[in-house]
Amino acid sequence: QKEVEQNSGPLSVPEGAIASLNCTYSDRGSQSFFWYRQYSGKSPELIMSIYSNGDKEDGRFTAQLNKASQYVSLLIRDSQPSDSATYLCAVTETGANNLFFGTGTRLTVIP
Amino acid sequence: NAGVTQTPKFQVLKTGQSMTLQCAQDMNHNSMYWYRQDPGMGLRLIYYSASEGTTDKGEVPNGYNVSRLNKREFSLRLESAAPSQTSVYFCASSAPSGGRNSPLHFGNGTRLTVT
Repeated sequence: QKEVEQNSGPLSVPEGAIASLNCTYSDRGSQSFFWYRQYSGKSPELIMSIYSNGDKEDGRFTAQLNKASQYVSLLIRDSQPSDSATYLCAVTETGANNLFFGTGTRLTVIP
Repeated sequence: NAGVTQTPKFQVLKTGQSMTLQCAQDMNHNSMYWYRQDPGMGLRLIYYSASEGTTDKGEVPNGYNVSRLNKREFSLRLESAAPSQTSVYFCASSAPSGGRNSPLHFGNGTRLTVT
């Protein structure tokens, strides 16, 4: 059984701070990694995808991947109240196009 | 461009009733998926279809059937609903990306309650 582990939170940060969200996964062969944001009562929306070790930056978001440690993270700089949501880590199954999701980390940004 | 469209948005069933959840995408994606989301359990894959004409079981297929009607449409059927199937159901689709897994695009979800 593939596992994707996230700290469920809630994680609270003040407005303007950096929010750090972490995820570990069990499938060593996974090649693709995604972060989704889900507002309450809404569907998940893609924030970042990362495929290679290292950092990938997009605006205020930075995804970090370390395949040797089976670890992927998301940093949100200059956090805004509108960033308050649940963040889902998703990892592909080796040899397939299926995504396994973590249970999500609930982030609250305090104005 | 509507993306992924699911119907209905809400549904209440009695135990033992059947229903079909409909999903259609207009992005010309090959792969389509059905997930369920329960509190504390995250998104779990029920069935997926890698391409038109193929379907495969995911993590939690028991109690469900699917049909990939054509490239656009992928339906999920509950033959005899049970309270354990009370959940939010999401349909998603993805495009082939030349070797890398492409991200999923989700519909707005169907909130199903079985009493």
